[in-house]
Amino acid sequence: DAGITQSPRHKVTETGTPVTLRCHQTENHRYMYWYRQDPGHGLRLIHYSYGVKDTDKGEVSDGYSVSRSKTEDFLLTLESATSSQTSVYFCAISDHKGRPYEQYFGPGTRLTVT
Amino acid sequence: DQQVKQNSPSLSVQEGRISILNCDYTNSMFDYFLWYKKYPAEGPTFLISISSIKDKNEDGRFTVFLNKSAKHLSLHIVPSQPGDSAVYFCAAPGSARQLTFGSGTQLTVLP
Repeated sequence: DAGITQSPRHKVTETGTPVTLRCHQTENHRYMYWYRQDPGHGLRLIHYSYGVKDTDKGEVSDGYSVSRSKTEDFLLTLESATSSQTSVYFCAISDHKGRPYEQYFGPGTRLTVT
Repeated sequence: DQQVKQNSPSLSVQEGRISILNCDYTNSMFDYFLWYKKYPAEGPTFLISISSIKDKNEDGRFTVFLNKSAKHLSLHIVPSQPGDSAVYFCAAPGSARQLTFGSGTQLTVLP
């Protein structure tokens, strides 16, 4: 299994508070992704990174920011959490050297905004 | 506008029978497709993939069929086992290698 961890695994926070989710990998993969999973929507891309300090927006990036200062860490920040950001968040990594386009996913973070 | 669609939210199949999960796409530029499997409280895991230059790819009990003219792919599981009960997502890569996922189909294999 690819070495990907996410922290925290569960979090409950109040509306308006900032929240940071961490994704850590030990695979030295270049690409990292943040998705959210919601019923009826599958997984939707929030932001992705194609190298240290190189990031770009995905389909549902409003209200989120990311940072990647080291190859192994990709942080997702909710500047001011809203109830619509209650979701399960998955980090994924890829080096695009093995099976084309295959991504390896972390275990997820369940975030509840009250 | 969803570019990858899974119109069946759920499917129940008897153990030993065939499971067929369907996926439609709208973007004719997609040239590769992947299926992921997800158990509760875990991240998705890669299952099988197919390039658009093929119309079939088989891996053990799992076969994916691609019909480019209909923009349709299907995943066949034969024989289905209770351990196959999970949510299945089809996905296609976009311009920056990110994946666009369908909404998923919950497969339940009944013993």
